[in-house]
Amino acid sequence: GESVGLHLPTLSVQEGDNSIINCAYSNSASDYFIWYKQESGKGPQFIIDIRSNMDKRQGQRVTVLLNKTVKHLSLQIAATQPGDSAVYFCAGTESSASKIIFGSGTRLSIRP
Amino acid sequence: EAQVTQNPRYLITVTGKKLTVTCSQNMNHEYMSWYRQDPGLGLRQIYYSMNVEVTDKGDVPEGYKVSRKEKRNFPLILESPSPNQTSLYFCASSEQGSNEKLFFGSGTQLSVL
Repeated sequence: GESVGLHLPTLSVQEGDNSIINCAYSNSASDYFIWYKQESGKGPQFIIDIRSNMDKRQGQRVTVLLNKTVKHLSLQIAATQPGDSAVYFCAGTESSASKIIFGSGTRLSIRP
Repeated sequence: EAQVTQNPRYLITVTGKKLTVTCSQNMNHEYMSWYRQDPGLGLRQIYYSMNVEVTDKGDVPEGYKVSRKEKRNFPLILESPSPNQTSLYFCASSEQGSNEKLFFGSGTQLSVL
């Protein structure tokens, strides 16, 4: 079946460094992808999205890269801060479908 | 403030005792959905609703019911809870469908003994 997964369950980075969180998906028909951030005790929160007609999209301190050839996307966080500590999920869907498939998440921790 | 509100935040119950988890959104969103989150499995969709009186099964609907009588409310009903329904539940909404960003509630931690 379809799957969306993350490469590493945990990632530890030094405060101030850049973080890169990776995600792979299996369904080549997926054309919309979202990254969510989930802090402890809270619901997931939208960070950034990208549609398949783009290969890069930038937000405030975050960049999402999409490589449709290898069905891979990544979330880059610039100058990682303590407030970035959370679990990060990628999710993918098809425009014609009515459900979204979530990855299992990467826990990002920040070393002072 | 735009939000999705779930209640209760925490619930402990016993096998077979019917319960309802409420969900309400104040953004006039068409689409609402329920997910359960279990360690190592990510978020799995239980049910979703594209509009009032329109509901459909997600990936793990067994043991759950929903209703969408009003646009803002989408309650999740467990008619006869079982221990394997112990999980963290999230309600979410979006303007029109799953191919848009979802707004999530704060979650309901359910324990079925």
